[in-house]
Amino acid sequence: QLVLTQSPSASASLGASVKLTCTLSSGHSNYAIAWHQQQPEKGPRYLMKVNSDGSHRKGDGIPDRFSGSSSGAERYLTISGLQSEDEADYYCQTWGTHVVFGGGTKLTVL
Amino acid sequence: QVQLVQSGAEVKKPGASVQVSCKASGYTFTGYYLHWVRQAPGQGLEWMGWMNPNSGATNSPQKFQDRITMTRDTSISTAYMELRRLGFDDTAVYYCARDQGAGEYAFDIWGQGTIVTVSS
Repeated sequence: QLVLTQSPSASASLGASVKLTCTLSSGHSNYAIAWHQQQPEKGPRYLMKVNSDGSHRKGDGIPDRFSGSSSGAERYLTISGLQSEDEADYYCQTWGTHVVFGGGTKLTVL
Repeated sequence: QVQLVQSGAEVKKPGASVQVSCKASGYTFTGYYLHWVRQAPGQGLEWMGWMNPNSGATNSPQKFQDRITMTRDTSISTAYMELRRLGFDDTAVYYCARDQGAGEYAFDIWGQGTIVTVSS
């Protein structure tokens, strides 16, 4: 069964970097995923697609501070130079015959 | 620019149906699948299904298969999602989202969301 696992929460200081992780279930380590950001009281916004080889393609207007990478069944979203507006929920998404979301990670910027 | 604009908030009674619309602009409507996703208060994102605007074909998880209908009017680049037999747990924000095409279901454009409240 295709499942995505995310840590419920993460925190980092203003100006620092943070790496969020999304883990694919066993047997699905070659799947691509997408990252979405949801700021408080707003709808989701597409950040990027991350492939199994670590290549990624960002959405229009997504700052260079956001980058993606991969290792095995893990897909990462790294945010550098954290800003207050980066405080948000981050969801990963993948697909087979159906679409699956991770449970989301709530990022707090200290 | 590429955007999806959804219809306004709805309040429905238990057992009723709701229809949400999603108007696309800035791209070829029939070229990309449209998906529906919902988010209950304080919860994560839940995928409800996709529609191929070109053929009208749809696919949804078993949880929604007997209650959801996804349609489109290509003449006005608008997709519709109807959910029937509403219960209190259907209270949520409903989003439409476009995928990247060619079998890539990564959502790159989201609608602004439609709040559906089920209340007696």
